[in-house]
Amino acid sequence: AQSVTQLDSQVPVFEEAPVELRCNYSSSVSVYLFWYVQYPNQGLQLLLKYLSGSTLVKGINGFEAEFNKSQTSFHLRKPSVHISDTAEYFCAVVRVDSNYQLIWGAGTKLIIKP
Amino acid sequence: KAGVTQTPRYLIKTRGQQVTLSCSPISGHRSVSWYQQTPGQGLQFLFEYFSETQRNKGNFPGRFSGRQFSNSRSEMNVSTLELGDSALYLCASSPGGGARNEQFFGPGTRLTVL
Repeated sequence: AQSVTQLDSQVPVFEEAPVELRCNYSSSVSVYLFWYVQYPNQGLQLLLKYLSGSTLVKGINGFEAEFNKSQTSFHLRKPSVHISDTAEYFCAVVRVDSNYQLIWGAGTKLIIKP
Repeated sequence: KAGVTQTPRYLIKTRGQQVTLSCSPISGHRSVSWYQQTPGQGLQFLFEYFSETQRNKGNFPGRFSGRQFSNSRSEMNVSTLELGDSALYLCASSPGGGARNEQFFGPGTRLTVL
């Protein structure tokens, strides 16, 4: 079975500072990895995904993530956050041989301090 | 293209009642997945439909059921509501088969059970 751990439930950071949201996963089979963002009172939106190839993945809104197979991690980073980045961020994995049964992390709330 | 739409957006029911939620996927998308989101349990997969067939099912009791119509619209039904069913129910659509595809989420239906 797969599992996803987001180590921080909340991350406060000052505006224009860098941020890293951590995600670790456990799986005995190959998985695809995703980061989704949920703005207040909205559904989820894909930020980026890792399927194969380069381990550094760039997404929307200036976010990027690095897949580290040996550490089973997929941390999300942004060099300079903006107040509009205030949201909850979810890491998710899915088996490469499955159909859409995403396994989700508990989410990390990014709190931007002015 | 119009996004994923869910109706109603808000719903209040009492224990023991049943409820039906509706989801209209993005035009051309054949896969629809349903998720339950609660503060305590996070995001949990309910089921996924593809071309009117349930392809995957999460670990929920039989009170939770769904169906998909020939136009890909989907409904989810919860019978004999319990207080613990209060949650945000999210619907997501995707073009077709394969775990690598992005899922597009609707804004959700917030169900409150009194």
